[in-house]
Amino acid sequence: KQEVTQIPAALSVPEGENLVLNCSFTDSAIYNLQWFRQDPGKGLTSLLLIQSSQREQTSGRLNASLDKSSGRSTLYIAASQPGDSATYLCAVSRRNSNYQLIWGAGTKLIIKP
Amino acid sequence: DTGVSQDPRHKITKRGQNVTFRCDPISEHNRLYWYRQTLGQGPEFLTYFQNEAQLEKSRLLSDRFSAERPKGSFSTLEIQRTEQGDSAMYLCASSLELSPNQEAFFGQGTRLTVV
Repeated sequence: KQEVTQIPAALSVPEGENLVLNCSFTDSAIYNLQWFRQDPGKGLTSLLLIQSSQREQTSGRLNASLDKSSGRSTLYIAASQPGDSATYLCAVSRRNSNYQLIWGAGTKLIIKP
Repeated sequence: DTGVSQDPRHKITKRGQNVTFRCDPISEHNRLYWYRQTLGQGPEFLTYFQNEAQLEKSRLLSDRFSAERPKGSFSTLEIQRTEQGDSAMYLCASSLELSPNQEAFFGQGTRLTVV
């Protein structure tokens, strides 16, 4: 059974710092991995998607990496801003489970001005 | 198309009442998923439709829950005899079967509070 873990559960850093969020999964037979952002009480905003054959994806100040063999992904945020404060969730899908997403519990990020 | 739309955004209901939520996926997307998210947790899969066929249901989907997608477009999720434990965010996602990356697009969710 696939399990997804995100560490740390919460993180507070000063504005301007670069930071890394971690996601690990127990079954390497994934189709893709997605990183999402969720603001309090709101829905999910997709940030980056990495196919199982890819090693990383970049969008602006965000960079996501994937090491499928070790079951790990990282989300790197450069030059953090207070507006980056949110919960970040990662999720993996598998072809033989209709691509349903299996989720981590998220990392709550606070960027202090 | 403006993306996945869910209605209502918020619902407060008394225990024992029935509620129904609606999801309108991105128009060309034939895959549709429902997830449930409780406070401080990641979402959990509830059910999956491919076109109008409900192909998978989680064991989380008790007999009080039913979902439909009658014409392969919008979907409804009904909860009968609501319980306080049903309080959660209900999220809908859609994707395109022919898309090589199978990216899921989410709506803003329906937050249910059972009092």
